[in-house]
Amino acid sequence: TQLLEQSPQFLSIQEGENLTVYCNSSSVFSSLQWYRQEPGEGPVLLVTVVTGGEVKKLKRLTFQFGDARKDSSLHITAAQPGDTGLYLCAGPQGAQKLVFGQGTRLTINP
Amino acid sequence: GAGVSQTPSNKVTEKGKYVELRCDPISGHTALYWYRQSLGQGPEFLIYFQGTGAADDSGLPNDRFFAVRPEGSVSTLKIQRTERGDSAVYLCASSSSGYEQFFGPGTRLTVL
Repeated sequence: TQLLEQSPQFLSIQEGENLTVYCNSSSVFSSLQWYRQEPGEGPVLLVTVVTGGEVKKLKRLTFQFGDARKDSSLHITAAQPGDTGLYLCAGPQGAQKLVFGQGTRLTINP
Repeated sequence: GAGVSQTPSNKVTEKGKYVELRCDPISGHTALYWYRQSLGQGPEFLIYFQGTGAADDSGLPNDRFFAVRPEGSVSTLKIQRTERGDSAVYLCASSSSGYEQFFGPGTRLTVL
């Protein structure tokens, strides 16, 4: 079974600061996805990274897939309170199902 | 358009009781997935349907858990003889391609 480890598990910072969260595995993944989940809602897909070394930007969010396709990072610039939520990485296991990391719970304080 | 809907949003039951959780996928999505999310954890895969058939049920924890999708649309997750350890949020997702899964809001199950 492929496992994904996310760090840190909890992060609380002030508005305007930058942050990076990590998603690591000992296994190679064909792709990795990042989701954001708010209380009482299901996860919402933010991005999919497919190629080793790939960098994708979504406004103030920058996602990177490791060269060896075993890890990924999410960097947020100038964090805002609206960025608060649970950030999950996920990778495909087999043909269809996803394996998720345990998540990073991010709190941005005004 | 309408997203994935799940009912009920909350279910409180007593240990040993039977529960059914319902998922209405996005119209036209042939793939449907059930996941379970315990407090402080990421979702864990339970079962995947392609059309009416369960293509992968390797995540079901034991034979108390069963899911159906008789007409290839709505799915029901059934849990018999519930235990306190079954308490979690049960998430449903659907997909047209498998590449992107769209999640519902979940059903929060509490077993007393």
